[in-house]
Amino acid sequence: DGGITQSPKYLFRKEGQNVTLSCEQNLNHDAMYWYRQDPGQGLRLIYYSQIVNDFQKGDIAEGYSVSREKKESFPLTVTSAQKNPTAFYLCASSTQPGTVHYEQYFGPGTRLTVT
Amino acid sequence: AQTVTQSQPEMSVQEAETVTLSCTYDTSESDYYLFWYKQPPSRQMILVIRQEAYKQQNATENRFSVNFQKAAKSFSLKISDSQLGDAAMYFCAYRSEGTSGSRLTFGEGTQLTVNP
Repeated sequence: DGGITQSPKYLFRKEGQNVTLSCEQNLNHDAMYWYRQDPGQGLRLIYYSQIVNDFQKGDIAEGYSVSREKKESFPLTVTSAQKNPTAFYLCASSTQPGTVHYEQYFGPGTRLTVT
Repeated sequence: AQTVTQSQPEMSVQEAETVTLSCTYDTSESDYYLFWYKQPPSRQMILVIRQEAYKQQNATENRFSVNFQKAAKSFSLKISDSQLGDAAMYFCAYRSEGTSGSRLTFGEGTQLTVNP
């Protein structure tokens, strides 16, 4: 089955530690995205990548880093510089602009709790 | 920058009845897409319906339809014959067609309750 996987579903870390969230897709999509969702709020874009070895900051990139070494993978690192990292993180992917119906498909999400 | 506003934090509907969720957006662009996503308690984001701004005809997907008013920058979702499985958080989203790629801007969501 084609889709997007995020692991783990729940993640717990101590304050001051970096943590990396995994996102893998086998949809052969070029573009991948990371969103953050806080309780009662919509999704906010952290980083996105249109192509391998290239990525751009979204609206709330401070305290986060990403890499895109493979088309299938777009890991997100939440660094100790992120002031309030506890949130629900969603990964998404899409084909390139110009493709018919290139809407974003979402993974199941990772709930990160930092104490 | 584009903004998306959903003015109804919560809505409720009786099973089998019809409900309309509101969404307005602000943009200076002429070419864009609009979406409604559903997020059930599992928190999986599911695409409900899309609308291309250049199309005058309102999109329809089974029991889901939109009322797209481009001049008013309004994009409401109508759910007909509501079912218990429709209970979820619904997000309106805007996507520009610029060179920065298919970035989505989301509203804050409307929590829909379906009463049996």
